[in-house]
Amino acid sequence: GAGVSQSPRYKVAKRGQDVALRCDPISGHVSLFWYQQALGQGPEFLTYFQNEAQLDKSGLPSDRFFAERPEGSVSTLKIQRTQQEDSAVYLCASSTRGMRYNEQFFGPGTRLTVL
Amino acid sequence: GESVGLHLPTLSVQEGDNSIINCAYSNSASDYFIWYKQESGKGPQFIIDIRSNMDKRQGQRVTVLLNKTVKHLSLQIAATQPGDSAVYFCAENNAGNMLTFGGGTRLMVKP
Repeated sequence: GAGVSQSPRYKVAKRGQDVALRCDPISGHVSLFWYQQALGQGPEFLTYFQNEAQLDKSGLPSDRFFAERPEGSVSTLKIQRTQQEDSAVYLCASSTRGMRYNEQFFGPGTRLTVL
Repeated sequence: GESVGLHLPTLSVQEGDNSIINCAYSNSASDYFIWYKQESGKGPQFIIDIRSNMDKRQGQRVTVLLNKTVKHLSLQIAATQPGDSAVYFCAENNAGNMLTFGGGTRLMVKP
């Protein structure tokens, strides 16, 4: 079956522009995660949804970052007034249930470059 | 695709040899650990996990060892193959559902 998909795969934005990154989790997966991965580093947690509820947004770096999952499936990560330090790969992951020991399946990521 | 891990520590091994990748974790409260493999242009892929009530777990060609005393985790890959070339990350979980990833190690397999 299909895995986690993300779009666009690559996004170039001018500083100050708003961007929206989409994640389609595996069908039926309850939990959805967003991570940010800077070049040469491991992914860093941004936020977590269980169904449509955003249960943890402690990793969002500023109030310019906003995530939603209104119907408990597709999720969008929005970054307002992008800055150069926002340049990174944004990874989405999903898992079957909202339990700690469930495997997180990652998408291919969206590489955001802010000029 | 983009290159992952341009400035990561690198382990270079000969095809057919065994590989050992090490990871030090920071939080003594972490009780669940996972190894991920990430190829260039792709997201991390689950390899193997271990809970803190174990000190060793084996999979197909891979073994994870956990030493809670010194907060150390290792991934052993037997008979390393060219397809194993990638960046490897350890991740820890101490509460909730978020994972905290380590810095990663690039594995290069020479034919």
